[in-house]
Amino acid sequence: GAGVSQSPSNKVTEKGKDVELRCDPISGHTALYWYRQSLGQGLEFLIYFQGNSAPDKSGLPSDRFSAERTGGSVSTLTIQRTQQEDSAVYLCASSSRDRFPSGANVLTFGAGSRLTVL
Amino acid sequence: QKEVEQNSGPLSVPEGAIASLNCTYSDRGSQSFFWYRQYSGKSPELIMSIYSNGDKEDGRFTAQLNKASQYVSLLIRDSQPSDSATYLCAVNTGFQKLVFGTGTRLLVSP
Repeated sequence: GAGVSQSPSNKVTEKGKDVELRCDPISGHTALYWYRQSLGQGLEFLIYFQGNSAPDKSGLPSDRFSAERTGGSVSTLTIQRTQQEDSAVYLCASSSRDRFPSGANVLTFGAGSRLTVL
Repeated sequence: QKEVEQNSGPLSVPEGAIASLNCTYSDRGSQSFFWYRQYSGKSPELIMSIYSNGDKEDGRFTAQLNKASQYVSLLIRDSQPSDSATYLCAVNTGFQKLVFGTGTRLLVSP
C-alpha cells in the first residue's frame, strides 16, 4: 500500500477483555515495529520484526502482550485481559532496511490505534 | 539512566528565531540518529537523520552530532509557528531497535 495502515483507529473496551490491533505495512518493507504512546509521553518500544529473523520482544511490558507477523507482511498485536493502564495509542511503523549503508531503519508510521480501556 | 534523554519543554521561541533542541544518549555504540516531528494528535514523521560527527544541514534544519559527548541536537532557523510540535530524538541502539526520547515540545509564537 501507499502507507502504513492500522486498524481499528479507535477501540474502546472493558477491562479484562482481549483486543487485537492490526498493522499493514508498506509493501516491500521488511522491518515492522510496534510502539506505544501514552498521553503526553514519548514512544515506548514494544516489538520489532525483521524479515524471517526472530522478533525482538524486549519491549513487551507483560505476558498479556503478544504480536505476530504473518507472511512477512501484516502484523497483529494482541493484548489479553486488558487493564486501564493499557490505554494508549499503539503505533505501527515499517521500514526498508536497505535504504542506508549503515543498515539503519528509517521508519514510516501509521496513524495509530487509540485504545481506551474502561 | 534512560537510553535517550530530552528536555520535555516547552521551549518557547519567537517567530524568526533559532530553536535549539538537544538530546543525549547512553549507548556509546549507537550509530544512527534521527529527529522526528510529531504534531498534536498525529504520528511522528522523519525530518532529519545523521550518522557522522559534525553538522548536517537540510533547509532550515541542521542536525549536529558529537559521538564523544553522546549528544545530538537539532537547530531550526527562522522558526515559524508551523514548526510548533513535539520533536522526538531517536537512536539506533544496535540490533536495529530504534529507541525514542520523550520529546521536546516547541512553541513558536507569532
